[in-house]
Formats: sequence, C-alpha cells, structure tokens
Amino acid sequence: DIQMTQSPSSLSASLGGKVTITCKASQDINKYIAWYQHKPGKGPRLLIHFTSTLQPGIPSRFSGSGSGRDYSFSISNLEPEDIATYYCLQYDNLYTFGGGTKLEIK
Amino acid sequence: EVQLQQSGPELVKPGASVKISCKTSGYTFTEYTMHWVKQSHGKSLEWIGGINPNNGGTSYNQKFKGKATLTVDKSSSTAYMELRSLTSEDSAVYYCARSYGYDEDFDYWGQGTTLTVSS
Repeated sequence: DIQMTQSPSSLSASLGGKVTITCKASQDINKYIAWYQHKPGKGPRLLIHFTSTLQPGIPSRFSGSGSGRDYSFSISNLEPEDIATYYCLQYDNLYTFGGGTKLEIK
Repeated sequence: EVQLQQSGPELVKPGASVKISCKTSGYTFTEYTMHWVKQSHGKSLEWIGGINPNNGGTSYNQKFKGKATLTVDKSSSTAYMELRSLTSEDSAVYYCARSYGYDEDFDYWGQGTTLTVSS
C-alpha cells in the first residue's frame, strides 16, 4: 500500500500571505495526486488534480507541483474563506489520503 | 448540476448493520465509479471501496473487506453502502464520491452521513 505523509498537520498564516503544504509518497505516484479543501459539514472540494491542473472555477491563487514521490500545494493571497483542512490524495495505485493540514488565519 | 445527496444521520446499536444511501443527479450515473470514504472523528480520510454502477464490479480496501458491501440501484441512480457487525470503531462520517474510472480522482462528493454506534 502507498503511504502519504503530509506536513505540516496545522499552520497559521496572515491574510494576503502564502502557505505551502507538502505530501511525500512512499513510492513514485507518477503525478497522480489531487488536493482537496474540506470544511466542516461539507464534502471535500477538489481543487487540483494530476499534480497541477486546477479544477474549473478554482482561482489561480491555488497551485500544485511535484513529481516522483514529492509534491507540494500552495495558496497565495490568503483570504478568510481559505480557512479549512486540506488533504492530498494519491490515486496512482488505489487511493490513499494524506493526514490533512488544518489552516488557520492569524 | 452534479449532486450527490446522502441519507441522514444514523444511531445504531453494536452488532447491528446499517445501509447508507447516496442519491445522484445531474449526470449519467453509469458513467462514473462511486466510492465511499470514512472519516473517523478528528482523523484523516480512508478509502473504503468503489463500485462500477454499469456492471456492479467492486474494489475494496483490504481493511474494509467483510465490513462494507457496496451496491447500486441503476433505476434510481442511487449507490448504497452496508456496514455490518458494527462496533464503536465504525462511528464516523461516511462520504460517497464519484470518479471517472478507478484510476481517477474524486471530483464530486456527498455531504457526508454521520454514523454513531452506541448502545
């Protein structure tokens, strides 16, 4: 089974700032990684798939990059509505989620 | 508009079974694989398994084999997950989510169903 190590588990940043979350896979996942935003009481929302492809309607403040085992996700120009927990998902071989990153605004 | 509408919260006793539903609309039900995901309180997400509504073919996370059974009703575009022999470890929020095949990400999710197992 592929393991996904996501970090940090939580972070705090200022409005207008930038944050970066990383996910490290236990093996090469061939760029098959997606990033989700999850708010309480709702289903997760797909932001990015195949490492860096934004879903329609997702602002360009969100971005992703990486290859092999190492991937990152960034949010720039932080807005209040970005407060959420973010997860990575590998879908190269079945499905495994990262542990999640809870984002707070300072 | 694509919608996945899940059934309401469940309170069931240990040892019992429960069947959660996910009614879909806004797309062709048989063209997308339906998956189920577990989120235990305060924890991350776990993939339970997926079902191809077109032929009923299933794929399960080894951890949930024997615990979860996935089915569909094509006539009502609804997916179901039955959980059996429930224990407190099964208390969680369960989500349905669709993908365009088994090797694709989950692009739409249901709102989640809270299951509480308690006597």
